[in-house]
Amino acid sequence: DAGITQSPRYKITETGRQVTLMCHQTWSHSYMFWYRQDLGHGLRLIYYSAAADITDKGEVPDGYVVSRSKTENFPLTLESATRSQTSVYFCASSIQGRRGARDTQYFGPGTRLTVL
Amino acid sequence: GDSVTQMEGPVTLSEEAFLTINCTYTATGYPSLFWYVQYPGEGLQLLLKATKADDKGSNKGFEATYRKETTSFHLEKGSVQVSDSAVYFCALSSNDYKLSFGAGTTVTVRA
Repeated sequence: DAGITQSPRYKITETGRQVTLMCHQTWSHSYMFWYRQDLGHGLRLIYYSAAADITDKGEVPDGYVVSRSKTENFPLTLESATRSQTSVYFCASSIQGRRGARDTQYFGPGTRLTVL
Repeated sequence: GDSVTQMEGPVTLSEEAFLTINCTYTATGYPSLFWYVQYPGEGLQLLLKATKADDKGSNKGFEATYRKETTSFHLEKGSVQVSDSAVYFCALSSNDYKLSFGAGTTVTVRA
């Protein structure tokens, strides 16, 4: 199906373990983003990517790693999970184009991660 | 830096009531403004947007007007339905790719 998908939808892990959250989009959008959603904070940007092999930090990057070898995939890795990383993670994408079009982001369904 | 402040919830309404969610922003330059909606268990969906001052965004009976003089983008709907129960996020983009979100307002509509 076309769109943006995330996997897994739910994940429980333990402190210190490595976890990778997957994001896949079928639109060939240039920009992709990872956010975390926590009560009282709205969504905060973790990392973003303007194109394959181009990534940059957002507001809260510490403890996370990203890569983007293909346009359609943008995995997020927690190298050593901590309890403070318990959150809901959203992936998003936006098209390359004129201003206004690039602003609109399309979100995946989210991954609920619990770190015990 | 950029920031968005929206009214705290939760907001509880009866069906057919009028809904207003206030949103104000701080940004450099001329940001684009958005309202996103998150239904239970789902990701965020774009509800409406406005890209310049005095623009009005509208969708599904919701409206918001970009007011540069008051740095506001309040969301309104004249007659809400139970299906409008969701979390609403105000957001802005003052460059080409980053969105800054408000904390979200939970709206519950009762039959």
